[in-house]
Amino acid sequence: GEDVEQSLFLSVREGDSSVINCTYTDSSSTYLYWYKQEPGAGLQLLTYIFSNMDMKQDQRLTVLLNKKDKHLSLRIADTQTGDSAIYFCAEAGSGNTGKLIFGQGTTLQVKP
Amino acid sequence: KAGVTQTPRYLIKTRGQQVTLSCSPISGHRSVSWYQQTPGQGLQFLFEYFSETQRNKGNFPGRFSGRQFSNSRSEMNVSTLELGDSALYLCASSWSGGSGYGYTFGSGTRLTVV
Repeated sequence: GEDVEQSLFLSVREGDSSVINCTYTDSSSTYLYWYKQEPGAGLQLLTYIFSNMDMKQDQRLTVLLNKKDKHLSLRIADTQTGDSAIYFCAEAGSGNTGKLIFGQGTTLQVKP
Repeated sequence: KAGVTQTPRYLIKTRGQQVTLSCSPISGHRSVSWYQQTPGQGLQFLFEYFSETQRNKGNFPGRFSGRQFSNSRSEMNVSTLELGDSALYLCASSWSGGSGYGYTFGSGTRLTVV
């Protein structure tokens, strides 16, 4: 079945790089997403990658995809205290289903 | 452009009551999906509507239902509320529901059942 796994917690120092990892099981996944959720808020789309890509860079964010191992990572360069939040990895299967499968979320704590 | 609007932001209901939540998608978006977020189960897909038709449904009991109107606005209804229905309910809109177009989420409705 469809499943997405993430580590639950990551703590870094301000200015360091953060790497959040995710694994998924659905080999038919077409797009993989990273969302950010701050306390009391909805989900903010950070970036997404198509399954035939290996890497995507967007300012401080770098997404790496290893389709063979079904492993996705999000690297945040020069992490700031404002990056403290919960980060969710999500995968979408093929077709117009409107459905995303989310991981449990990784809480990123950034220490000054 | 305006984002996805969910109303109300907060609700407190009593067990056994029913509740209706509303979601107005981004203008031009025709697909609306609903999710339930709880600390224990995380984010779970409820259902998706496109052009007033339910195209996909998650594993939730029949007490959870929804509909979509001709202007793409969507409502979800939960009947006979249980304590376990307390959650943040999020809706997401996209142009077609296809994964390549991205999904924009609203701020959610926080439902508390007492």
